[in-house]
Amino acid sequence: GAVVSQHPSRVICKSGTSVKIECRSLDFQATTMFWYRQFPKQSLMLMATSNEGSKATYEQGVEKDKFLINHASLTLSTLTVTSAHPEDSSFYICSARQNRGPTEAFFGQGTRLTVV
Amino acid sequence: AQTVTQSQPEMSVQEAETVTLSCTYDTSESDYYLFWYKQPPSRQMILVIRQEAYKQQNATENRFSVNFQKAAKSFSLKISDSQLGDAAMYFCVLFGNEKLTFGTGTRLTIIP
Repeated sequence: GAVVSQHPSRVICKSGTSVKIECRSLDFQATTMFWYRQFPKQSLMLMATSNEGSKATYEQGVEKDKFLINHASLTLSTLTVTSAHPEDSSFYICSARQNRGPTEAFFGQGTRLTVV
Repeated sequence: AQTVTQSQPEMSVQEAETVTLSCTYDTSESDYYLFWYKQPPSRQMILVIRQEAYKQQNATENRFSVNFQKAAKSFSLKISDSQLGDAAMYFCVLFGNEKLTFGTGTRLTIIP
């Protein structure tokens, strides 16, 4: 199957700083990328959907100014957690789809963010 | 709104036996897909099986098969000849209206 690379896999940052997480589709063009947050032993919570070249669509309750999503190219989307706080510590996962039809989504390896 | 319900938070099965994981869903879309993904301890999401809603035939992938009951909005996963490597969290996922909606997951334990 197609490969989605997410980087970094783990990051520790200080409160108040910003962290950027990258999600790359390595062998296909991803018109749509999704960003999820997963709390321990829980399901994936959709944070936002990004389409290449347009603004991301955020789910209700997700702060747009805190979780900045950029999808500048067909192979790269980034999630920036701004002014991070300990409560932002979580596991973040991206996924990408090849086209606008309902095909499967390919997932990145996830990023464990710890804010101290 | 789309919803996916997995009523079994945990399941266990003896190695080599068969286990069925339940999933029900709700959507107003006429065109949608259903998936089962597994998430092992590595936390990498892995596609197990896919079902197109317009297909009546149940999808099968080696030891994995589904029982898709469209009218009842049910989509269960059957794992035959369970192996130790099948131990993982299993998520039932609905794709519709350009969104993926995840169930709460079922943690499957394989007993040697």
